[in-house]
Amino acid sequence: NAGVTQTPKFQVLKTGQSMTLQCAQDMNHNSMYWYRQDPGMGLRLIYYSASEGTTDKGEVPNGYNVSRLNKREFSLRLESAAPSQTSVYFCASSEAGGADYGYTFGSGTRLTVV
Amino acid sequence: EDQVTQSPEALRLQEGESSSLNCSYTVSGLRGLFWYRQDPGKGPEFLFTLYSAGEEKEKERLKATLTKKESFLHITAPKPEDSATYLCAFGGRDDKIIFGKGTRLHILP
Repeated sequence: NAGVTQTPKFQVLKTGQSMTLQCAQDMNHNSMYWYRQDPGMGLRLIYYSASEGTTDKGEVPNGYNVSRLNKREFSLRLESAAPSQTSVYFCASSEAGGADYGYTFGSGTRLTVV
Repeated sequence: EDQVTQSPEALRLQEGESSSLNCSYTVSGLRGLFWYRQDPGKGPEFLFTLYSAGEEKEKERLKATLTKKESFLHITAPKPEDSATYLCAFGGRDDKIIFGKGTRLHILP
């Protein structure tokens, strides 16, 4: 049971470089989410996709873009990385009604921007 | 503003010393109250969902309870392998989940 798979697990970028974080789930979930986790700040929602074909901004969307490629895949793109985007990024998925059932999380991508 | 507050931020216990973690929320329209465990370098792992005041759920040495404004995670006779960060989260009307900042639990052998 793969659940939610994130790639890569680790990445170091130089300021101004771009990259895409990949996320795929095999549970046939409708909703997918991107969070970042920073010390003392907890988990903060970047973007989410309630269903295939839709995306919406979360709490901290600036500097990021997302693509819901199909029902399984939800990618997060940093167009011009900044040191403030150094963080651990988690992808999550849920059945319709995440507030009722909770989320399943991936293992995270640790991103350092120098 | 909807908020989920966890206390204490960190807790050190001796093996076998029972205690409780607190999660309070200042939101209305509860749809689900969730507890997760997070080990260093890993993603949060689902533990429990509670839906209404008075509800309780148990798993091994952990028991989660819910009142109208708080949830508690009771840890009975903990072992070192229970050391982790425990996250509380609230699911409300807009179908998103708000997370607390977590309690770092360290069980000393």
